[in-house]
Amino acid sequence: DIVMTQSPHSLPVTLGQPASISCRSSQSLVHSDGNTYLSWFQQRPGQSPRRLLYKVSNRDSGVPARFSGSGSDTDFTLRISRVEAEDVEIYYCMQTTHWPYTFGQGTQLEIQ
Amino acid sequence: EVQLVESGGGLVQPGGSLKLSCTASGFVFSNYWMTWVRQIPGKGLELVANIKDDGSDKYYVDSVRGRFTVSRDNAKNSLYLQMSNLRADDTGLYYCARGFLMFWGQGTPVTVSS
Repeated sequence: DIVMTQSPHSLPVTLGQPASISCRSSQSLVHSDGNTYLSWFQQRPGQSPRRLLYKVSNRDSGVPARFSGSGSDTDFTLRISRVEAEDVEIYYCMQTTHWPYTFGQGTQLEIQ
Repeated sequence: EVQLVESGGGLVQPGGSLKLSCTASGFVFSNYWMTWVRQIPGKGLELVANIKDDGSDKYYVDSVRGRFTVSRDNAKNSLYLQMSNLRADDTGLYYCARGFLMFWGQGTPVTVSS
């Protein structure tokens, strides 16, 4: 199975400042169709996860532009350009290139 | 509006069985792969099984293969997860989700304990 490793586990952030989360996969996430199926999710306490980005950098409908994704092959990053209070949640990366699809262990943002 | 509503969770003894259901609305159910994901306290998220739009292909994570069966009834816009020989480490919140997990239900809790 592909192992998804996020870092850091916990990220102290300052409101209004940028933040970034790293996600690394144990194998390349480039699919035979040429796409890279790496997604990012946000989860608030007591709620279902919400997908923010798919195929590395595509924002889902309604996701603020301050969220962006980048990366390729095995190395990916979620960036928040200016952290707002509502962003202080848990974030997961997930690969859907190879079965079984696997998630990272999560990164908790916290106010510094 | 896309809606996914899970049901069927509960408390079951080790070795027991449970059948989860997910009722979909707001989209053409028969056009989408569907997925079961579980969230185990302290262990994050795990994709359990998924099923092709017409039910012809099914995939399972190793830890549930042979014990869980995913199925669907497109006429009823419903997804199912039949779980048998349940173990304590199957305890968690079970979500159904559409396709590549753009939409999720609210989850139904499963507790395996004597």
